[in-house]
Amino acid sequence: AQSVTQLDSHVSVSEGTPVLLRCNYSSSYSPSLFWYVQHPNKGLQLLLKYTSAATLVKGINGFEAEFKKSETSFHLTKPSAHMSDAAEYFCVVSDAGGTSYGKLTFGQGTILTVHP
Amino acid sequence: GAVVSQHPSRVICKSGTSVKIECRSLDFQATTMFWYRQFPKKSLMLMATSNEGSKATYEQGVEKDKFLINHASLTLSTLTVTSAHPEDSSFYICSARAGGTFYEQYFGPGTRLTVT
Repeated sequence: AQSVTQLDSHVSVSEGTPVLLRCNYSSSYSPSLFWYVQHPNKGLQLLLKYTSAATLVKGINGFEAEFKKSETSFHLTKPSAHMSDAAEYFCVVSDAGGTSYGKLTFGQGTILTVHP
Repeated sequence: GAVVSQHPSRVICKSGTSVKIECRSLDFQATTMFWYRQFPKKSLMLMATSNEGSKATYEQGVEKDKFLINHASLTLSTLTVTSAHPEDSSFYICSARAGGTFYEQYFGPGTRLTVT
């Protein structure tokens, strides 16, 4: 079975300050992990993905995430927030086996607000 | 990147009627399409997986006779909500994948269904 928990439902930062969105996962097999962003009235966009290669994954728009197996975490970070980063972010896990093989399981989402 | 469209973007229907939502992959052939449901302030829940030319596989708790899925071509899948009720009001999102489980899922912009 697979599951994912996003530890914060809302995160608020000032423009130019670092962003940290936290995610913990549970997986019975070697997981693939993803971060998606959803802007209002737009489709989900893939920010980055981890698929058992390098544990530090760089994505689009300056975002990156680090896979930490010992902590079962996949936190999303960005050194400096931009106003355009304001959106809802989803951490997603996909198991490499079992009944959830190939299926995406979404976290509850974190709404990021960026203040001027 | 690959583009997935959904039509309509918003629909309002009366209780007891049926509504059809289309999901199209515009610039690639989608061997597999997925339908998700997103409740307000909640995450995306996978409803069903459909492979072109095959019957859809529904997740536990999803009524297959209520949510009819057809994936007749490599670029089109439809979700029909039959005999809709107010509790079916939700945001429905589709995604499409060009190949096996290691291919990326591309998401549509979603359809807001309101049943009055």
